[in-house]
This record gives sequence, structure tokens and C-alpha cells, in this order.
Amino acid sequence: QKEVEQDPGPLSVPEGAIVSLNCTYSNSAFQYFMWYRQYSRKGPELLMYTYSSGNKEDGRFTAQVDKSSKYISLFIRDSQPSDSATYLCAMRNYGQNFVFGPGTRLSVLP
Amino acid sequence: DADVTQTPRNRITKTGKRIMLECSQTKGHDRMYWYRQDPGLGLRLIYYSFDVKDINKGEISDGYSVSRQAQAKFSLSLESAIPNQTALYFCATSDPGGANVLTFGAGSRLTVL
Repeated sequence: QKEVEQDPGPLSVPEGAIVSLNCTYSNSAFQYFMWYRQYSRKGPELLMYTYSSGNKEDGRFTAQVDKSSKYISLFIRDSQPSDSATYLCAMRNYGQNFVFGPGTRLSVLP
Repeated sequence: DADVTQTPRNRITKTGKRIMLECSQTKGHDRMYWYRQDPGLGLRLIYYSFDVKDINKGEISDGYSVSRQAQAKFSLSLESAIPNQTALYFCATSDPGGANVLTFGAGSRLTVL
């Protein structure tokens, strides 16, 4: 079993839809949780990060962490074609390096 | 200019050749990393360095070596390239405070024939 699991997609949604992207993990010691967005032929860029459990909102994006279920989510409201990218989750414990999920490829169709 | 610059962006080489990928950063961060990205496997850590005198192996260091020439420069070498090293390589830096967020370069696509 991989330490971080993520559905690779591709996930196709119509413009304006609410998108839910998810990762599950096995290491209960993880404390820092990140979402990166990667456009084609570009490097990943940080979208959201959350420390420990709870929700965090930034514009159309909401990140949720449920440590009891070892499950994190990224919600995108009013999705736009410009949101079409691969979304990578990443997580780590104190003093450790990040472990990345394989990424979910999202297409938002106009 | 980009915060993290990688050269070359694309490289095609033959089995057995020595290859160097270079990375420079203007973030002023001490921590630098080399990752490899393969379809379905995500980003895997090859080597990382917390300062000029500190080099550490990551998850998949076999077949690779690194050099930290200065705080801002971190290069990755493949001494004798093999086809299964064909991948997208990313350099990253991080600020050690708090979340240790990674800032990535644009990537170097390497093809080994």
C-alpha cells in the first residue's frame, strides 16, 4: 500500500461545477497537508496548506483535513477552464520531507 | 525572473552518457531538493540539502549524485544514464520555518535512449 493514495483521474467536469479532489494516507503522524496545482509543462505551485485538522478557505478553494479518517479533500467552487491542471496532495510529519500523491488530472470543460 | 531556474529544460541523451541538470534559486533559502516525477508515481525525492555542507539521500538516490556549489546552486548528475531514468526532474527550495513549503522550478525533461 502506498503511503499516500490519490485517484489519478482524469476527472472531467462542466464549467461552474463543484469539484472534489481527495487523498487518503496511512501515516497517522502526518501534520502538514498541502495541495499543489501543476499545469502542463510547468512545475507544481502551492495552492493551499493546512496544519493538523480542520478546514481552510481561500476564494473558490476549500481544503479539509480529517485526521481521524486519514482523508484530505480539496473543493473547487464555480470551476473554470483555467482550473484544468493536475492536483497533487502532499503531507509530512515534523522534521520529515513531504510525501506526494500521484496527482489527479482535472479538465473543466467550457 | 523565476525564483527557481532549471537548465536545461529538455535534454535527449544516450545510454551511458553523463548528464548534469542544474538549478539556481533567488529565494535565499538554505534548503534545496531534487525530485523525479513519473506518470502514476507522483514526485519522489532523489536528494536534498539543508545547507552547503549538508547532502542527504532521498527515496531514490541510486544512480544519481548531487553537488551543492553555493547556497543558491544545486546540481544533479547522472553518471551513466540509463533508459529508466527518463523522467521529468524538478528542483525545489523551501523555507525551514513552519510548513516548510516547497517552491518548484519549471522542470527538466530528460529522455535517455
